[in-house]
Formats: sequence, structure tokens, C-alpha cells
Amino acid sequence: DAGVTQSPTHLIKTRGQQVTLRCSPISGHKSVSWYQQVLGQGPQFIFQYYEKEERGRGNFPDRFSARQFPNYSSELNVNALLLGDSALYLCASSLRDGLTPLFFGPGTRLTVL
Amino acid sequence: GQQVMQIPQYQHVQEGEDFTTYCNSSTTLSNIQWYKQRPGGHPVFLIQLVKSGEVKKQKRLTFQFGEAKKNSSLHITATQTTDVGTYFCAGEGGSEKLVFGKGTKLTVNP
Repeated sequence: DAGVTQSPTHLIKTRGQQVTLRCSPISGHKSVSWYQQVLGQGPQFIFQYYEKEERGRGNFPDRFSARQFPNYSSELNVNALLLGDSALYLCASSLRDGLTPLFFGPGTRLTVL
Repeated sequence: GQQVMQIPQYQHVQEGEDFTTYCNSSTTLSNIQWYKQRPGGHPVFLIQLVKSGEVKKQKRLTFQFGEAKKNSSLHITATQTTDVGTYFCAGEGGSEKLVFGKGTKLTVNP
């Protein structure tokens, strides 16, 4: 079975631009979570979606938004990019909501210049 | 909000030595998970602990969950070069989603 896939792999944007990151979960997994990992730090929770509904939101500004589609894939959007948004954005899927391990994708490396 | 702290931040060992990383939460957890991230890679799930005082083993790795469900440890016996990477604990509790510690970066000298 294929693991979690993310696109694009790398992205370079300039301040003020907008970006959309995409994620496809493992087949059969209905929950998708997004994490931001700054170099040298642990992943920080951004959003969780389960069955297309938002189940959790981390301490991120409203410039960050996400959605989950009927096929359980997901998009993360970030508007008005700042230099501090440069990070590895990780998508993780899990079978269901709560008390389940996360299976991470390879991530999208975003660089904001 | 919930905080998860890990020590040490870095650990360098000679191949064959043991390694331990410790994780402490500011709140009681419903479960704790451990992940390993190789250099340039993404976090990979290792194990989940749910019960108070639980101990689980995976070959040379031993995971413990504290009696109060606020702390955990990962111990690796006789490290190998393949153990290199950053080990993260991640705790889930209350209304908080999975909160990751900052990780312990392990390097192994062959």
C-alpha cells in the first residue's frame, strides 16, 4: 500500500504570496493532520480533519486554513506568507479520530524569501 | 496549554553504548507516542503507550510510561549506527491534539 503522499516536495515563495500544499492519506485513513516543523524543533500541530470536518486547530493565525475533500485528501493554504513560515510542512494520516498513531508523509519544504 | 519537554536535546554515544531519552508532560496524558526522524526524513511512528506504568519492548528499544501518565522514557541498548536520528515523544491529553516534544538528536560514533 502507498503511504501518505504530499506535493509539491519543495516550494520557494516570496513574502506576501499565497501557497497551497496537498496531501493524500493512506488508503482507508479518514483523518488528516497538518504539522509545521521548523528546523531543529518538533512538529507543531496546525489542523486536524476527520470525515471532512475540522476536529482541531493549533495556535496558528487565520492566514492558515485547510480543508478535507470527500476522498479524504486535504489541502493546507497559507496566505500573506511571512519569512517565519519557512518550514517543513508535514501531513499525517490516521485511521480514525483519537488515540491512533500518525503516519507522516515526506513533507513539503517551504522557503519564503 | 499542554507542554511536552524532552531531555537531553542532543546525545552523542559510541557504538555499543546505551542511550536514554526522557519526556515530561505538564499535564496528565491519555497516551504517549514515540517517533523517530532520520536526517532529512519525516517522523516515523515507533510505539504508543496507553496504560499507567506500561513497559513495551521492541528488540533493543524499551519504552516506559510513568505511573502518573505524565512522563515517559525510551532506552536503547547497545546502540548501532542505524539508530542515528531524532527521537520525539508526543503526548495526547484532554482537549489537546498530539503535542510533540523538541526531540533528542542521537548521533553514534562507529
